[in-house]
Amino acid sequence: GENVEQHPSTLSVQEGDSAVIKCTYSDSASNYFPWYKQELGKGPQLIIDIRSNVGEKKDQRIAVTLNKTAKHFSLHITETQPEDSAVYFCAASIPSGTYKYIFGTGTRLKVLA
Amino acid sequence: EAGVTQSPTHLIKTRGQQVTLRCSPISGHTSVYWYQQALGLGLQFLLWYDEGEERNRGNFPPRFSGRQFPNYSSELNVNALELEDSALYLCASSLALFGGINEQFFGPGTRLTVL
Repeated sequence: GENVEQHPSTLSVQEGDSAVIKCTYSDSASNYFPWYKQELGKGPQLIIDIRSNVGEKKDQRIAVTLNKTAKHFSLHITETQPEDSAVYFCAASIPSGTYKYIFGTGTRLKVLA
Repeated sequence: EAGVTQSPTHLIKTRGQQVTLRCSPISGHTSVYWYQQALGLGLQFLLWYDEGEERNRGNFPPRFSGRQFPNYSSELNVNALELEDSALYLCASSLALFGGINEQFFGPGTRLTVL
């Protein structure tokens, strides 16, 4: 069935280091992959996304890569800062008439000052 | 531009009661999605409304229902509440679909506690 696996579940990095979160999706029809950041007590906020016809996208310190063959996509955060601490969710959108998102289980990122 | 708004922020109910949650989408967005986020878990798709019609629902029992009004706002109703319904209920909205892409923007959620 439709599934998105996300790893790791928790990640601690020193301020200034890089963080990488990886996701794998099961449905090859997925064509849109957003990443959300959720801070405590708030709703998820879209931070970056990538479409299936693109291999990589970058926005300042954040980048996302997509490997359609392997059905993998990853979030890269460089020069991490304490305010990057949050839970990050990946998702895959399936356009097969449902247009729903399948979310990963989340990664709790802690940036240590 | 105002984002997605949800009300109430918090809600406490007892088992067997009924609850209604409300969502106002971003202006111009016609689609509304509801998700359930149980504590420590990911987001589970509940319902999708577009142009006043229910387009799809997730693997939830019929006591989870909702509707979308002509102004595109939406309600989520949960009947016969159970303890495991305690969760953060998130609403998201998007523009009409273009090529199968629908960027969803989330509201802050309603925290429901069932005692």
